[in-house]
Amino acid sequence: GQSLEQPSEVTAVEGAIVQINCTYQTSGFYGLSWYQQHDGGAPTFLSYNGLDGLEETGRFSSFLSRSDSYGYLLLQELQMKDSASYFCAGPDSGGYQKVTFGTGTKLQVIP
Amino acid sequence: NAGVMQNPRHLVRRRGQEARLRCSPMKGHSHVYWYRQLPEEGLKFMVYLQKENIIDESGMPKERFSAEFPKEGPSILRIQQVVRGDSAAYFCASSPRSKEDEQYFGPGTRLTVT
Repeated sequence: GQSLEQPSEVTAVEGAIVQINCTYQTSGFYGLSWYQQHDGGAPTFLSYNGLDGLEETGRFSSFLSRSDSYGYLLLQELQMKDSASYFCAGPDSGGYQKVTFGTGTKLQVIP
Repeated sequence: NAGVMQNPRHLVRRRGQEARLRCSPMKGHSHVYWYRQLPEEGLKFMVYLQKENIIDESGMPKERFSAEFPKEGPSILRIQQVVRGDSAAYFCASSPRSKEDEQYFGPGTRLTVT
């Protein structure tokens, strides 16, 4: 099985940079994905790391270190609309049949 | 290019009734996943299906819950004899064969059991 842990809440100021961490325990690993979910809405795919290192997509970047069982999502130039919950997700051991989502981090952006 | 579609968006059932939730994946996607989400909680995997096959149902309760993805038509999540604890948001996601790491979610069905 697998578990992914995230901080429950983060508050940051508009225009700033924030990092949301994800640590995992798994016996097999195929990569880490990140999703954004606004209150009452559906999760939206943000990024995927299949290899160690940094992936950049506009204001969002994601990092993975498999040796440390750790990843993070970096959000730059924060905007009020970035206030949402963010989930890391990874496949269970054995492949992508079962995807486990992290505990989720609620990000609040303040003026 | 329509996204993942789910219906109904809201469903109210009395205890003991059946709930049927439908999901049409994105065009060209052959993998469907169902998740359950309680308020203020994360997504819990229930089942993963491909056309006419249940690949992994390890997250789905053994009783009262079933899922299918027929050759034609949407995927169906069926909950028999609903109880109050079944009240939750149920999300369906789909992915293409080649990019299983990207899942595209539907708007969800909010089930309320009274």
